[in-house]
Amino acid sequence: IAGITQAPTSQILAAGRRMTLRCTQDMRHNAMYWYRQDLGLGLRLIHYSNTAGTTGKGEVPDGYSVSRANTDDFPLTLASAVPSQTSVYFCASSESAGEKGTDTQYFGPGTRLTVL
Amino acid sequence: GQNIDQPTEMTATEGAIVQINCTYQTSGFNGLFWYQQHAGEAPTFLSYNVLDGLEEKGRFSSFLSRSKGYSYLLLKELQMKDSASYLCAVSDSNYQLIWGAGTKLIIKP
Repeated sequence: IAGITQAPTSQILAAGRRMTLRCTQDMRHNAMYWYRQDLGLGLRLIHYSNTAGTTGKGEVPDGYSVSRANTDDFPLTLASAVPSQTSVYFCASSESAGEKGTDTQYFGPGTRLTVL
Repeated sequence: GQNIDQPTEMTATEGAIVQINCTYQTSGFNGLFWYQQHAGEAPTFLSYNVLDGLEEKGRFSSFLSRSKGYSYLLLKELQMKDSASYLCAVSDSNYQLIWGAGTKLIIKP
């Protein structure tokens, strides 16, 4: 059982370049999330998706976009990377979200991104 | 605004007991989570409280008081492998998790 996988594990990127972080889950969870984690700060929600075909903005969505074409995949794209997007990015999933209650979120291993 | 407060760092001795506190102010409340995160790894789920009281799970227990906006995580019989950061998160009125910055727990022999 893989759970949630993320790729790449780490990446160094030049400012201005486009980058897509990949996230795949095999638990058939409806809800998926992208967070960034910075030293001294809590996890901050970038975007989320409550079900395939829908997405929503979190606390810090600027500079990022997502898509949810199917249940399993939830890629995060940085259209034009800036140094302030240097962070560790975690993808997470939960069985459901919102109206169905509060479900435990399970996290992927993370992507360490450095923008120079 | 929404706010989750927890101590930045704590130190404890192997075999001892430690209590990590979390206070919160959020728009709505749909439960409180504790996660463990070892350095360089992903957060992993420890506990969930939605009703007042103590939930015990092996060496770990979690307590919630909704009227006080307060929770704690109690770790007993500390082991070196318990050295990690412990993250408190509250599910708000929109069922989104608001996260504290985490408490780094250092275990000394």
